[in-house]
Order: sequence, then structure tokens, then C-alpha cells
Amino acid sequence: KNQVEQSPQSLIILEGKNCTLQCNYTVSPFSNLRWYKQDTGRGPVSLTIMTFSENTKSNGRYTATLDADTKQSSLHITASQLSDSASYICVVIGGTASKLTFGTGTRLQVTL
Amino acid sequence: DTEVTQTPKHLVMGMTNKKSLKCEQHMGHRAMYWYKQKAKKPPELMFVYSYEKLSINESVPSRFSPECPNSSLLNLHLHALQPEDSALYLCASSQPGHRVSKNIQYFGAGTRLSVL
Repeated sequence: KNQVEQSPQSLIILEGKNCTLQCNYTVSPFSNLRWYKQDTGRGPVSLTIMTFSENTKSNGRYTATLDADTKQSSLHITASQLSDSASYICVVIGGTASKLTFGTGTRLQVTL
Repeated sequence: DTEVTQTPKHLVMGMTNKKSLKCEQHMGHRAMYWYKQKAKKPPELMFVYSYEKLSINESVPSRFSPECPNSSLLNLHLHALQPEDSALYLCASSQPGHRVSKNIQYFGAGTRLSVL
């Protein structure tokens, strides 16, 4: 069964600090992996998209890594801001490209 | 314009009501999706339309009826819903096909539905 698991479930950090979110998946065959940011009550917004051959991709203060051998990905947030408070969802596409397997999400809260 | 617009933003309905959720995009995308998201859970796929034809129905109860009148619009007709159907309903669009660069799903802000 295709699954995407994320850790931690929730995280509280101080503004300005860095953090790393983890994603493990069993989706096969693998096509690509995305990280989405979802503010409360809003739709998800794509942060990064990574294919099999990509190890690292950055989008501003967000850096995603992918290890396709171990089927793991991480999202590193640098110099966190209050506006980073949101749920971060790892999404893996495999098999039929129009269907996504969503992770359980990590709820990040950035405080003063 | 990378917007997917959903209306209404909020909807409260009784179990005997009939209502519709609407979704619109003008990015030329030919794949559109309905998702249901419960609190603190990831979105769950309900329906996929590709080139205005229903291509995936994830065993959704018939009280949810999707409609794609044209390439820019996607509706979700609701009838005789149950309180457990209360959730955030998300619409998304993308280009169909397997090319990664064309397959990013853009999500709307969602309709928060409460069934009393």
C-alpha cells in the first residue's frame, strides 16, 4: 500500500531558528515528491517539486532534500518567521501521475 | 494568473438541503480535482476530471455529484448530506499527463462546509 509518513506531527520553534521536517514514503513506482505549505483554512501551496534525479532543491528559505534509495525526504526551513506557522505536507506522486499520496503533515508553530 | 477560485468560502446546510460548490480556473488546465479535508488530516481525493470527463471517482457516496460544464469550471452538487460530511472541500487543477513540469496541482482556498 502506498503510504507517506511525516515527522514530527507538530513542532514549536522560536522565531529565527531553523528546523527540519521529515518525510518517509513507500509509494512505488516513484515519479516525484512535493512539499506543500497549508495555512489554516486555506488550500495547499506548492513549495518544491523534486524528481528521482534531484537531491536538493531550494525555494528561498526552504530547502528540500530527497534520497530516492532510502525513500526519504526532508524540508529544512532557515531563519524561521512567524508567517511560517502552517502545516507542511509531503506529497508523493507515483503510478498514475494524476493521483497524489498525501502525508499526514507536520504542524509548525513559530513563536516569539 | 495562477488562481483557483472557489465559492462560497463558507456554507452551512441542513441534511435535506441541496447546494452546490463551485470552482473556477483560467490557467488553461485540463485536469480538475475535488478533495475533502477533515481537520488536522491530509486532503483525500474524491474526483478527478480530465478533459471535462470524469476519470477517477474514489468510491464517493452518490450524495456528492460532480459536474464539469466546461474546461474552466468544476461543480460539486450536494444533496442529503450527513453531519460527518462537514469538512473543507478543496478544488485543484493541473495539466493532465505524466510530465512533471506540467503536473503541479494548484489548489483553491476551499469551501468550509458545515452540515447540521
